[in-house]
Amino acid sequence: AAGVIQSPRHLIKEKRETATLKCYPIPRHDTVYWYQQGPGQDPQFLISFYEKMQSDKGSIPDRFSAQQFSDYHSELNMSSLELGDSALYFCASSFGGGADQPQHFGDGTRLSIL
Amino acid sequence: GNSVTQMEGPVTLSEEAFLTINCTYTATGYPSLFWYVQYPGEGLQLLLKATKADDKGSNKGFEATYRKETTSFHLEKGSVQVSDSAVYFCALKKSTGFQKLVFGTGTRLLVSP
Repeated sequence: AAGVIQSPRHLIKEKRETATLKCYPIPRHDTVYWYQQGPGQDPQFLISFYEKMQSDKGSIPDRFSAQQFSDYHSELNMSSLELGDSALYFCASSFGGGADQPQHFGDGTRLSIL
Repeated sequence: GNSVTQMEGPVTLSEEAFLTINCTYTATGYPSLFWYVQYPGEGLQLLLKATKADDKGSNKGFEATYRKETTSFHLEKGSVQVSDSAVYFCALKKSTGFQKLVFGTGTRLLVSP
C-alpha cells in the first residue's frame, strides 16, 4: 500500500540558511500534520492542514511556515536555521481529522544544522 | 491540558517473555488512544488503536485495552521476539476537530535471544 512520502530523507544546512521539506500524503488523504522529533524525544506537533487550510497550530517557530497545495502535498519552509533546529521532521496524513482516523507517518527528514 | 505518561525504559527482556508497557493519560472528554512503534532510523508505525472505553486494540500479537476508570492504555504481548526491539510511543488524540497527536516520551524495548 502507498505510504506517506517525505523528501529529502536527509538534509544538511548551515546556520542562517533556509530549507524546504516536502510531504506527499497517502492518496485520498486530505489532512497533513507536521511533527518535530529531537534526539531521544517524543514528536512535538508543529502544524496541520485540512483541505489546504491550516487546521491547527502548535509550537512552530515564526521562522517556519507551511502550506498544503491543491494536490494535497505539503511543504514546510524553514528560514534562518539555528543549531537547535537539528531534528527529525515527520509528516503524517489522515483522511479527515476525526478521532477514529489514525495518522500515518512518513519516514521523516533528518535535518542537520552545522 | 492533555498529556500521556509512559513507563521509563529501557525495558530489557529475553525472547518469549511477557511484555507490559504502562501508559496512562490525562485528557478532557473521551480521547482516542494509540500505540506507535519506531524502529531505528524509521518513522512511526501505527501499531494499534482504541477509540472508546473498553475497546481493545490488537495487532501482530500486541494488544491494549482502553480503561477509562484507570485512564490507562497499557501495551501487552504474550511472547516477545528479538524483532520487537524498538521504541514504543503511547499517544492520544482528542475526540473533536482536527486534533494533533499528543505523545508520551516513548519506551525503548530491548529483546535478547
